[in-house]
Amino acid sequence: AAGVIQSPRHLIKEKRETATLKCYPIPRHDTVYWYQQGPGQDPQFLISFYEKMQSDKGSIPDRFSAQQFSDYHSELNMSSLELGDSALYFCASSRDRGPYEQYFGPGTRLTVT
Amino acid sequence: KQEVTQIPAALSVPEGENLVLNCSFTDSAIYNLQWFRQDPGKGLTSLLLIQSSQREQTSGRLNASLDKSSGRSTLYIAASQPGDSATYLCAPRRRFYTNAGKSTFGDGTTLTVKP
Repeated sequence: AAGVIQSPRHLIKEKRETATLKCYPIPRHDTVYWYQQGPGQDPQFLISFYEKMQSDKGSIPDRFSAQQFSDYHSELNMSSLELGDSALYFCASSRDRGPYEQYFGPGTRLTVT
Repeated sequence: KQEVTQIPAALSVPEGENLVLNCSFTDSAIYNLQWFRQDPGKGLTSLLLIQSSQREQTSGRLNASLDKSSGRSTLYIAASQPGDSATYLCAPRRRFYTNAGKSTFGDGTTLTVKP
């Protein structure tokens, strides 16, 4: 069965650079969630989209932005990167029709040097 | 704000034992609760999903229960195997308009099953 696809899987950037993470949800899933997981921490919700509209917002820094496109894929844009942004970034998707089970992608490991 | 606590933080058992992982949450207005496992540096694998109207879900050697009113869920693992070694995360999801919104994760229970 198709799963959530994230690209790239690994990314190394320098401070103050910009990064773009991509997420391709499971086919027919219309809701996408972004989570950030720092070393030794649990995943923290950043932002979500339903039908291309932002549906919920968590602890996403102002330096980050995201959007969902017409094909339901989503991109997380991160600017002015800081060392503390180094983390695993997960994308999850679900259908907006029950049972709303969330499926997570393999994550993008971002390292800021 | 939803607070999720998982007990114990770490657990080490010999192979074959049955074990229980506990999850408690402060906001009982949840839509559902998912249990995940995470291997080091890897993604989250969904184990079980319990709707707020359900009390129990089973999948193979795993059984999850939910007591929404008391804000508790347990994950029971029968006949543990070394391959079960991982961090187990519970994630209650709040009601968001008419669907389930973001997941709030506990810190997880790190399980080690010794051969």
